[in-house]
Amino acid sequence: EDQVTQSPEALRLQEGESSSLNCSYTVSGLRGLFWYRQDPGKGPEFLFTLYSAGEEKEKERLKATLTKKESFLHITAPKPEDSATYLCAVGSQKLVFGQGTRLTINP
Amino acid sequence: DAGVIQSPRHEVTEMGQEVTLRCKPISGHNSLFWYRQTMMRGLELLIYFNNNVPIDDSGMPEDRFSAKMPNASFSTLKIQPSEPRDSAVYFCASSLRQGPAYEQYFGPGTRLTVT
Repeated sequence: EDQVTQSPEALRLQEGESSSLNCSYTVSGLRGLFWYRQDPGKGPEFLFTLYSAGEEKEKERLKATLTKKESFLHITAPKPEDSATYLCAVGSQKLVFGQGTRLTINP
Repeated sequence: DAGVIQSPRHEVTEMGQEVTLRCKPISGHNSLFWYRQTMMRGLELLIYFNNNVPIDDSGMPEDRFSAKMPNASFSTLKIQPSEPRDSAVYFCASSLRQGPAYEQYFGPGTRLTVT
């Protein structure tokens, strides 16, 4: 059974303090790893898709990387508006989502 | 361009009543997905359609749940009869490419409360 584990569950940072979120997965036949951002009361918003180990994608202060067993979402010099829950999902027969990391950036 | 549209945004109903949730996918998208999100279980896929045809409904909790997609621009998720444990946020998502392993675009969700 496909599984996704995200850590930490919650992370509180000061504005400008860089860090990384982790997504570990086990899947039979990875067809893509996805990162989403979810704000309170809203649907998940698509950020990145990674398809193979070694691949990297960047968007503003976010960079996603992928290995054979895990993915990292690096946040560089975050701002308060980056506060959200970040969800990781693996795609095989269907998208399986992790529980998310709730990120809070304090000004 | 409009994103995925869901209605209603909030629904409060009594146990035993029928509930119908509605979704309009992004125009031109070929796959549509229904998810349920709770604190305990996170985001779970209930069912998905390719070109209006149900492909995988293994995530539908039980026979009280049913979903239809009569055309490319409309889908419904029905719960009959509803129970308190059905309380959750229900999301609809659509994807340009067929199948579940591609980027999906989510609607704002319907928050369902069953009392």
